[in-house]
Amino acid sequence: EIVLTQSPATLSLSPGERATLSCRASQSISSYLAWYQQKPGQAPRLLIYDASNRATGIPARFSGSGSGTDFTLTISSLEPEDFAVYSCQQRTNWPLTFGGGTKVEIK
Amino acid sequence: EVQLVDSGGGLVQPGRSLRLSCAASGFTFDDYAMHWVRQAPGKGLEWVSGISWNSGTIGYADSVKGRFTISRDNARNSLYLQMNSLKTEDTALYYCAKDYYSGSGIYGPFDYWGQGTLVTVSS
Repeated sequence: EIVLTQSPATLSLSPGERATLSCRASQSISSYLAWYQQKPGQAPRLLIYDASNRATGIPARFSGSGSGTDFTLTISSLEPEDFAVYSCQQRTNWPLTFGGGTKVEIK
Repeated sequence: EVQLVDSGGGLVQPGRSLRLSCAASGFTFDDYAMHWVRQAPGKGLEWVSGISWNSGTIGYADSVKGRFTISRDNARNSLYLQMNSLKTEDTALYYCAKDYYSGSGIYGPFDYWGQGTLVTVSS
């Protein structure tokens, strides 16, 4: 099973600041990584797929990068609605696995 | 508009069974693989199972293999999860999710999600 480790667990930032979230895979997953945003009481929302492709309707302030085992989600300038939990997911092998999540909270 | 409506959750005793359903609309259901993903209270996301468009490819997480069965009815635009021999650790919010890519793979990512249906396993 491919283990995804996200860091940090919590990121405390102010609106307007840049957020950098990390996801590390236990083995190479090429570029087969997705990022999701989840707010309390809501289903996850797909942000980025295949490491760097924004999903439909996702603002340009969200960007993804990386390949192999190290991946990054960057939010260039945090908007109030961006404070949420972010999870990564690999689609290289079964079982499909998710990272434990990074909570982006208001400082 | 794509819609996924999950149902069938509830309170059940350990060892008993439950069947979840997901009604899909707003897209060509039989073009896409579908999945079940769960989230235990206060925890992260866990992929449970996936099924290809024609039911020819099916996958399960090790934690549910042999106890859960995924199926679909393309004529009814519906996805199902039969859960047997339920354990307390199966307590979670269960989401059905649509695969982003059409075709025979069942790898995700997941571009649309249901609202979730809560399964509580307790005596």
